[in-house]
Amino acid sequence: SQTIHQWPATLVQPVGSPLSLECTVEGTSNPNLYWYRQAAGRGLQLLFYSVGIGQISSEVPQNLSASRPQDRQFILSSKKLLLSDSGFYLCAWRSSGGAGYTFGSGTRLTVV
Amino acid sequence: GENVEQHPSTLSVQEGDSAVIKCTYSDSASNYFPWYKQELGKGPQLIIDIRSNVGEKKDQRIAVTLNKTAKHFSLHITETQPEDSAVYFCAASLGHKYIFGTGTRLKVLA
Repeated sequence: SQTIHQWPATLVQPVGSPLSLECTVEGTSNPNLYWYRQAAGRGLQLLFYSVGIGQISSEVPQNLSASRPQDRQFILSSKKLLLSDSGFYLCAWRSSGGAGYTFGSGTRLTVV
Repeated sequence: GENVEQHPSTLSVQEGDSAVIKCTYSDSASNYFPWYKQELGKGPQLIIDIRSNVGEKKDQRIAVTLNKTAKHFSLHITETQPEDSAVYFCAASLGHKYIFGTGTRLKVLA
């Protein structure tokens, strides 16, 4: 069966520090991968998606970047965090021919 | 681009009553409409979905209806239980990108 792993679960980082959040999927190949952000009390905003290794599409201009170094690995990064980067970050995957997303358990990032 | 509106933002019901959450979408080409349940501190979980060629789908106490002409779809939960308390998100998609509603916080009062 397919599983998605996302870590860390919580993270507190100072302003100006770098960020690296990792997401991996098991039990499938060539998944579509997604990074979403959920601000407190708000909906889910799509940040990046990837349909293959090295293929990254950005949905909104921001202080973050994404990379897909391996088929089932998706990384969200920042060189210098801003206070506004605080939020709940969710990774999700979907098979290329499938329908529903499966979300990871999320990372709560607090920038202080 | 697609825009999804979701109402209400909060909903309180007595245990055993029904709950209805409504969403509207803007892009008539959208063809897939999932609903997710998110419990506190966790990622959203898919609970039911519907495709544009179907008007209604039911899974035990949960049902979703779709009106393509009006571009709206609804989640119906019957015989609500305390464990139904969570935030519910609707979404609309065309292809592989989802546009989510802003969520409904459902509280089931015992």
